Formats: sequence, structure tokens, C-alpha cells
Amino acid sequence: KQEVTQIPAALSVPEGENLVLNCSFTDSAIYNLQWFRQDPGKGLTSLLLIQSSQREQTSGRLNASLDKSSGRSTLYIAASQPGDSATYLCAQRIKAAGNKLTFGGGTRVLVKP
Amino acid sequence: NAGVMQNPRHLVRRRGQEARLRCSPMKGHSHVYWYRQLPEEGLKFMVYLQKENIIDESGMPKERFSAEFPKEGPSILRIQQVVRGDSAAYFCASSPGWTGGAEGYTFGSGTRLTVV
Repeated sequence: KQEVTQIPAALSVPEGENLVLNCSFTDSAIYNLQWFRQDPGKGLTSLLLIQSSQREQTSGRLNASLDKSSGRSTLYIAASQPGDSATYLCAQRIKAAGNKLTFGGGTRVLVKP
Repeated sequence: NAGVMQNPRHLVRRRGQEARLRCSPMKGHSHVYWYRQLPEEGLKFMVYLQKENIIDESGMPKERFSAEFPKEGPSILRIQQVVRGDSAAYFCASSPGWTGGAEGYTFGSGTRLTVV
């Protein structure tokens, strides 16, 4: 059964510290992996998408890596700010599941000023 | 580009009533997906549609729930005879056709259904 796990479920850091968010998946035959941000009561905002053939993607202070052999993706957020407080979700799209995305449970991040 | 549009944003229904949730995909996107997020739970896939076709409904409850994506107009998720357990946020996403894995999903802001 395809599973996506995000640990920890919650994380609190002081402003300025780098954030490291982990995503583990059981099926390495992926098409891509996508990181999203969700603010309370809001929708999902796509942050980064890593294709199967890629090792990492970067956008501003965000960097996401993908290691299919170990079944892991990591989202790094440099120099965190209070505005980064949100829930971060990873989702994978695998060949066996067609076009469906399977989501992890998310990591709820609080950046304290 | 208006993105994925969902309406209404909030919907309150009494037990036994019907709920209709609408989703207009991004311009140029032909694939629509519905996901449900129960309180304090993750996002669960419900159904995947293309124009006039249901491609995968493996996540849909067997009864009371249906979805369509007509040739003209938005995709509709319909819940008949709602119960309190249907209270959740329902998200719609869209994507372009298959391009080899580079295409990502774009999500709407969701419809928050409350059953009283």
C-alpha cells in the first residue's frame, strides 16, 4: 500500500533558524513529488515540484530534494520568518496510482518572533 | 489567469439536505480532482474526472456522493442527504493533460461544508 509520512507532525523554531521538513514514501516509482503550503482555513499553495528525474528544486529561500532510493524528500526553508508559519504538505504521484496525488499528514510549523 | 475557482466558500446544510459544490478548473486544464479534508486529518482523494468522464472514483463513498464534469460548465460534487460526518473541507484541483510528470496540480481555496 502506498504511504506518505511526514515527521514531525509539528515543529516550533525561533525566527531566523533554518527549517528542515521530512517526507517519506514507500513507492519509489514516482512521477513527481510536490510540496504545498496550507494556511489555517485556506487552500493549498504549491511551493515546489520535483520530477522523478530531478534531485532538487529551488525557489528563493526554499529548496526541496528528492532521493528515490531511500524514499525521502526534504524541504529546506532558510532563515525562517514568522510568515512561514503554516502546515506543509508533501504529495507524491506514482505510476501505479495514475493521476492521483497521495498526501502526507503534514507538518505544522510555528516560527516564533 | 483566475486559477481554480470553487464556490461557495462556505456552505451550511441541515441533515438530510443536498449539498452541491462547484469547481471551475484553471484555463487550459482538462483534468479535475476532488479531495476531502476532515477536521484534523489529511487530504484524501475522492474522484478524478475529465470532461464527461469519471476516470477514477475509488475514493468516493459508495452512497450519497456523486461527481460530474460536463462538457460545458464547472465540475460538480454532489452530496445527497448530508450527515454530520460529511462536515469537512472539500478541495478541487486541476492539472493539464499528461506531459510526462512535469505537470503539477493547482488547488482551489476549498468549500467548507458544515452540516447542522
